[in-house]
Amino acid sequence: NAGVTQTPKFRILKIGQSMTLQCTQDMNHNYMYWYRQDPGMGLKLIYYSVGAGITDKGEVPNGYNVSRSTTEDFPLRLELAAPSQTSVYFCASLRAPTGELFFGEGSRLTVL
Amino acid sequence: DAKTTQPTSMDCAEGRAANLPCNHSTISGNEYVYWYRQIHSQGPQYIIHGLKNNETNEMASLIITEDRKSSTLILPHATLRDTAVYYCIVRVPSTSGTYKYIFGTGTRLKVLA
Repeated sequence: NAGVTQTPKFRILKIGQSMTLQCTQDMNHNYMYWYRQDPGMGLKLIYYSVGAGITDKGEVPNGYNVSRSTTEDFPLRLELAAPSQTSVYFCASLRAPTGELFFGEGSRLTVL
Repeated sequence: DAKTTQPTSMDCAEGRAANLPCNHSTISGNEYVYWYRQIHSQGPQYIIHGLKNNETNEMASLIITEDRKSSTLILPHATLRDTAVYYCIVRVPSTSGTYKYIFGTGTRLKVLA
């Protein structure tokens, strides 16, 4: 099993550009999450999903959109990138019986 | 949402037990305490979780006070590879039917040779 896979690992965007961070998991987990982590800080919840077609906002959803068309994929869309969105983004899926989160390796995004 | 409070940083000598405290005074009766750690800039890694009983696994032990307002993660014999940021999290039920895991700023543990 690959677990949770995120792409790209690194990306530089110009202000106002848009992009999608991809996240896929092969563990058949229903629940998935997107977090961002600013330098020296903890993780902030952006969006989460309980299954295909169902998403909900977390602590810091502004400037982002998500979709969940399949169990495996949970892409995060950044519209009109701003320097404040410079961060490391982590995707995670949840093994429900234990409540254990499995994280991807992260996507490091810089907006200039 | 319940919040957690942890010391910003701690040092521990290699081979000694590392005791990492966490306060979660607003925790509700059905909310679990989870511990994760993050080594360098990798994705956080699950360590252990509990509701009200003490728990132990191959990585660590979790001691939860009887009033559930605080807990302590114990790494029994810390090694240099245990140097990481440790997060204490209270898992909160969401209206969507899943759970939200709200991370704080964590404790930066440095294991000293």
